[in-house]
Amino acid sequence: GDSVTQMEGPVTLSEEAFLTINCTYTATGYPSLFWYVQYPGEGLQLLLKATKADDKGSNKGFEATYRKETTSFHLEKGSVQVSDSAVYFCALNNNNDMRFGAGTRLTVKP
Amino acid sequence: DAGVTQSPTHLIKTRGQQVTLRCSPKSGHDTVSWYQQALGQGPQFIFQYYEEEERQRGNFPDRFSGHQFPNYSSELNVNALLLGDSALYLCASSLVTHNNEQFFGPGTRLTVL
Repeated sequence: GDSVTQMEGPVTLSEEAFLTINCTYTATGYPSLFWYVQYPGEGLQLLLKATKADDKGSNKGFEATYRKETTSFHLEKGSVQVSDSAVYFCALNNNNDMRFGAGTRLTVKP
Repeated sequence: DAGVTQSPTHLIKTRGQQVTLRCSPKSGHDTVSWYQQALGQGPQFIFQYYEEEERQRGNFPDRFSGHQFPNYSSELNVNALLLGDSALYLCASSLVTHNNEQFFGPGTRLTVL
């Protein structure tokens, strides 16, 4: 079946550092891809999405590009802030079948 | 505009008991999905409801059942609770025409002792 694999955490960075969280997927057909963020004690918030190959999703300085040739959707941010500390989930939706990665915990230190 | 709401926030039950969790979707949404998120894991899809019918189901036993009401709100019922059912249960709502974009509630933390 479909699956999502994302880079294991935890990831610890200093403020203003560059962030990459790797995500690859296995799916039949053409899924939509997502990044969700979960702050402590809260539900998941949609961070960005891409619905077809070569689409770039972006929000709040975060970006990810749907790469069909490498089945990847890596999350990047040029300069992280302490407030970006959270758990990040890569996910796919393929014909209403939603699959999530295990999550990557990011801690940003001042 | 209220987002997705869930109740209760926390719940403690013992093995063998039954539990009911509740979800109200975001205003204007007609589809509700339920997920189980074990500690340190990503959410696992349980099932989805649309027009008061179970539309799709993940790999969960029949002990997990649900319901959707005419006002689109939904319940998740779990019978014969096991220790392994301890998790955060998340509800997500969407429009059936835009099911790609799901909005999540804060979750209900269930602890089974």
